[in-house]
Amino acid sequence: EVQLVESGGGLVQPGGSLRLSCVASGFPFSSYSMNWVRQAPGKGLNWISYISSHSDSTSYADSVKGRFTISRDNAKNFLYLQMNSLRVEDTAVYYCAKKTSGYWFDPWGQGTLVTVSS
Amino acid sequence: QSALTQPASVSGSPGQSITISCTGTSSDVGDYNYVSWYQQHPGKAPKVIIYDVSNRPSGVSNRFSGSKSGNTASLTISGLQAEDEATYYCSSYRGSSTSWVFGGGTRLTVL
Repeated sequence: EVQLVESGGGLVQPGGSLRLSCVASGFPFSSYSMNWVRQAPGKGLNWISYISSHSDSTSYADSVKGRFTISRDNAKNFLYLQMNSLRVEDTAVYYCAKKTSGYWFDPWGQGTLVTVSS
Repeated sequence: QSALTQPASVSGSPGQSITISCTGTSSDVGDYNYVSWYQQHPGKAPKVIIYDVSNRPSGVSNRFSGSKSGNTASLTISGLQAEDEATYYCSSYRGSSTSWVFGGGTRLTVL
């Protein structure tokens, strides 16, 4: 079964840092690009970052560019999101999602909640 | 990176059909046939129901269909069932800088 499981969420103060992890199983992780998508409480989905299968290409939404860094460890089947200079508006459930051979996401993890508050 | 535009809510009775629109620009929906639709039930992760404008993944009911005209994509759900009550999001690939954009979501109520 193809599965993605996120972890690392929690409560952090504004200006703080957090690293999210996503472990993949059930598919050849190193063959697929991955993404992070977030969802603020009661709000819609927002794509925030992409990384190619061998990390040679990354991209970010303007809202997180310069503050967040996506990375991966293909040997361990892990995807990461390092989040620095966190703001209250970064509060959201963060999902990792596998990009298919096309341009859609499947599957998604169950999400991990990040709360930025003083 | 503006979101795609979707109606906030739609409703329909069991057995009826509904259509949800998703309007983007010539830089996303209008430029690529890479529109996908996701279904999200409360507290759950999104699940893809349509990809590449009109294709259904294996296991998704043929009651779901998608189309596109110009900068607007559409999702049609026919034969509405209670289990279809959820929030639906469209998404489009944007080739510039390898990015994606989502719509604001449409909450479907089955009356």
